[in-house]
Amino acid sequence: SSVLAQPHSVSVSPGQTATITCGGNDVGSKSVHWYQQKPGQAPLLVVYYDSDRPSGIPERFSGSKSGNTATLTINRVEAGDEADYSCQIWDNTSEHPGVFGGGTKLTVL
Amino acid sequence: QLQLVESGSGLVKPSQTLSLTCSVSGASLSSGDYSWTWIRQPPGKGLEWIGYIFHSGSTYYNPPFKSRVTISVDKSKNQFSLKMDSVTAADTAVYFCAKVGGYYDSRYFDPWGQGTLVTVSS
Repeated sequence: SSVLAQPHSVSVSPGQTATITCGGNDVGSKSVHWYQQKPGQAPLLVVYYDSDRPSGIPERFSGSKSGNTATLTINRVEAGDEADYSCQIWDNTSEHPGVFGGGTKLTVL
Repeated sequence: QLQLVESGSGLVKPSQTLSLTCSVSGASLSSGDYSWTWIRQPPGKGLEWIGYIFHSGSTYYNPPFKSRVTISVDKSKNQFSLKMDSVTAADTAVYFCAKVGGYYDSRYFDPWGQGTLVTVSS
């Protein structure tokens, strides 16, 4: 089954750019989705199909992929962006189709 | 606007059955072709997909849970449910319900409920 690797934590100053990676053998061949999770709140889809943004998500959030690594980029980081971010793929050829990365804690300094 | 709210037993004894319900507003489980899912997050750990139920009523479960989980829909109440048998302390987690989106080979989950903490302890 697929395994998705994310850095445990990322720290940036306000106004800077945050990049969060998601790596795995199946990343290159599957769509990657990203979720933002703040304490006590429902997870929020911020990027789907590698780089699409749901309505209401600021343009500062973008997704990309190169080879077997997907990246969530947050430009002009704000204090309100501090949260856990998790990537997810769906592998319908696997017995374990729904796979999440371990999550990355974004700290805004 | 589609909203999901989880409810159910917050404290379950070991070996007993965990029962949760997800109430859906803003969409009808009777008329839409939506699929619904349950996901959990143990304390300090990542998200773990449990299983989902298609609009047709058929289900698919993540193998680690397959032998002890049931997901069902009650269209009359516009709710879907999760039952997990024979729980242990390892099942202590925040449980989320969500709507399944995307194509069959690239599913994603949106929106989610706020989550409910289930603690397994005697």
